Parts: sequence; C-alpha cells; structure tokens
Amino acid sequence: EAQVTQNPRYLITVTGKKLTVTCSQNMNHEYMSWYRQDPGLGLRQIYYSMNVEVTDKGDVPEGYKVSRKEKRNFPLILESPSPNQTSLYFCASSLLATNEKLFFGSGTQLSVL
Amino acid sequence: QKEVEQDPGPLSVPEGAIVSLNCTYSNSAFQYFMWYRQYSRKGPELLMYTYSSGNKEDGRFTAQVDKSSKYISLFIRDSQPSDSATYLCAPKTSYDKVIFGPGTSLSVIP
Repeated sequence: EAQVTQNPRYLITVTGKKLTVTCSQNMNHEYMSWYRQDPGLGLRQIYYSMNVEVTDKGDVPEGYKVSRKEKRNFPLILESPSPNQTSLYFCASSLLATNEKLFFGSGTQLSVL
Repeated sequence: QKEVEQDPGPLSVPEGAIVSLNCTYSNSAFQYFMWYRQYSRKGPELLMYTYSSGNKEDGRFTAQVDKSSKYISLFIRDSQPSDSATYLCAPKTSYDKVIFGPGTSLSVIP
C-alpha cells in the first residue's frame, strides 16, 4: 500500500531534549516536506527536499533541522525543543515538487513542556 | 493580506443539506486549485482539483473557480455525517508548491 509513515504519533518531551520524528514513503517520490499545523494558522511548511541531499527552508524553519540521505526517508530533528514548538506535525511527499497531489502521513502530536 | 483565506467556521449543517465552502486568494498566478479534506487526527488528503476557471464535478462534490474575482468554492450536495471534516483550500502556480489555506471545519449533524 502506498503510504507515508510517520513516527511517533504522539510525543511528550521537555524543553531542550533533542528529538527526531521519522518520516518514510514507499512511492519513490522525489519531493518530501514537513509541515506544522496550529489552530487558526493552518499548515505551514518547515523544510522541504527536492531530492536526495537537496533540502531547503520553508516558511518556518527556525529551531528545526532535516536531512535527506535516502530517497525514502526525511527525518525532522528538533535539537533543543521549546514550548512554542508544541504542534501537530505532518510529513508529505509527492512525485515532483510541482505536483498537485501531496500524500500526507498521519501526523505527530508533539508537546514540549 | 494572507495569500489564501477561508472562513474557519465551524460550520454546522443537518444531514442532507447543500454545503458551500469558500476561499479567496490574492496571487493571480495561481492556476491549479485543490481542495484537501482532513479528518480529525488524520493527515489531509486530496479531494478534488481544478485547472484554471470553471467547474468540476465528482459525485456529490463540485469545485468552482472564478479567477476574475479570485474566488474558489466547494459545494457538497446531500451532505453526510461522513463529510464532517476540515476542508483546506490549496491553490498553486504551474511552477511552485501548493499553498494551503487555514481550512474550514464542517460538521454534518445526523
């Protein structure tokens, strides 16, 4: 089954404790992206990747890191999480960056205390 | 002015009603207009997309685009409780990424 898999689904952590949210897709998509979703603000893009070893900042990249060493994986790293990073996070992929159809993961609800 | 705007709702309708969800945008270069549906605690999924102005129908759903007024609509006929979700308007240009609106929350009451 074609899918984008994110883990974990729920994560509670404390300020400053490094964490990684994993994302994997099995559709051989070139484009992958991370979003955060907050009430009233909608989906905001954090980082994206056009292909392996090619990543770029989205609209709200501060406090986040990403890497794309393999085509299928695109982990999101929070090296020193802060409470304002409490949010619902989604990973998405598409065949190409300009495609209309994005495939989303099921989301990761992160709480930073 | 935000690039894409939607009334956040929540919109609550009885089962069987016709629902109209609306979206306005500011970038005249947008040519593709998508609607994504997001169920609670799930990722968004593409519901419909339209190229340029005009209407597109898919079952109970009709997407309508008026580029002259930068106005996009999604109509749902014979609404069902399973239509309860947040609907995200998502336009894009031919050369750039999808931009998401903040979404409208819809509740269809049995």
